Amino acid sequence: GENVEQHPSTLSVQEGDSAVIKCTYSDSASNYFPWYKQELGKRPQLIIDIRSNVGEKKDQRIAVTLNKTAKHFSLHITETQPEDSAVYFCAASLGTLTFGKGTMLLVSP
Amino acid sequence: GAVVSQHPSWVICKSGTSVKIECRSLDFQATTMFWYRQFPKQSLMLMATSNEGSKATYEQGVEKDKFLINHASLTLSTLTVTSAHPEDSSFYICSASTGREDEQYFGPGTRLTVT
Repeated sequence: GENVEQHPSTLSVQEGDSAVIKCTYSDSASNYFPWYKQELGKRPQLIIDIRSNVGEKKDQRIAVTLNKTAKHFSLHITETQPEDSAVYFCAASLGTLTFGKGTMLLVSP
Repeated sequence: GAVVSQHPSWVICKSGTSVKIECRSLDFQATTMFWYRQFPKQSLMLMATSNEGSKATYEQGVEKDKFLINHASLTLSTLTVTSAHPEDSSFYICSASTGREDEQYFGPGTRLTVT
């Protein structure tokens, strides 16, 4: 089955800095890669996704890049704000989502 | 749109009793529902996938006789934790999908504590 590795497990940045979270996947047939943001005690919320036929996608301050050859994808958050603090999960899908272990992002004012 | 509710939001039960958790899609029909378990500061672990009117498909290592899943309608799935033990204490989250992988929406979760 699919295996998704996510790094780093924790990330601390200053407000205004950029944050990058990286994931790798094992099954080259996976074709859908969403990112979720989960605040403490709340449900995961989809923030951005990318399909395997696209290399990059951007939505305001967040962007995702995908390298199919290397089987890795990354989440980029620019101009971070304290409200970006949360746990971020990547996932890879071939019909069913397989999640990475999550990255706790802390943005300090 | 795309709202998923769970009930109860938290529950405390005694060891040996059973607990039922409901997952409802409020404004769309969910052909597939997923049940996840999440330990503190850990990722979402898929327990089972259920399609309306069919038996659930359980992930390896998940006891189907202990975690009973019913998906009787396109808007409701239930997870029953039978003969609960303290090690079953966890955060259980459902998600509902229209069938498209980019249309999967999570419920708010249920915190189960078994004493």
